Amino acid sequence: AQSVTQLGSHVSVSEGALVLLRCNYSSSVPPYLFWYVQYPNQGLQLLLKYTSAATLVKGINGFEAEFKKSETSFHLTKPSAHMSDAAEYFCALGIQGAQKLVFGQGTRLTINP
Amino acid sequence: KAGVTQTPRYLIKTRGQQVTLSCSPISGHRSVSWYQQTPGQGLQFLFEYFSETQRNKGNFPGRFSGRQFSNSRSEMNVSTLELGDSALYLCASRPGQGPYEQYFGPGTRLTVT
Repeated sequence: AQSVTQLGSHVSVSEGALVLLRCNYSSSVPPYLFWYVQYPNQGLQLLLKYTSAATLVKGINGFEAEFKKSETSFHLTKPSAHMSDAAEYFCALGIQGAQKLVFGQGTRLTINP
Repeated sequence: KAGVTQTPRYLIKTRGQQVTLSCSPISGHRSVSWYQQTPGQGLQFLFEYFSETQRNKGNFPGRFSGRQFSNSRSEMNVSTLELGDSALYLCASRPGQGPYEQYFGPGTRLTVT
């Protein structure tokens, strides 16, 4: 079955520190992977996507993610956290044929001043 | 381009009533998907429409239904509301049928009392 697991429902980092949010996937076919961010009382905003081109994907707001097939991972990173990065982050797997996204449970990121 | 719009943004209904939610996709996008977001179950796929045809449906009871119009606007309907239907309902659109990223609206917060 195709699925997504996000390790850590809550992550807390200091302002200026490295942000690392973990995502592992399970897929029997080459995956399409996405990271979304959700701010309170808002919808989901696309941060970045992996669609089998470069394995290191750069997104908006300084975020990037690296696709590692051997580890079935697609971890999200940002070198220096800002207070405005506080939000919930979702990793998603695009299911070909079924035309839908399967989401992880989300990781709430807190930034400490 | 204007983003995905959803109306209404907030809704309070009583058990047993029915509700209709509306979604206008990004101009030119022909695929519209609906997701339910709850604290307990996370983000779950409801259904996807493309060119007025439902192409895929998630694991939800028949009380949940939808449709898409010729201008790609979509509505979803929930009949005989239950307390457990309280959730954020998110609509997403994308250009076509491929594994494209989906763009989400702000959601409709439904509260069932």
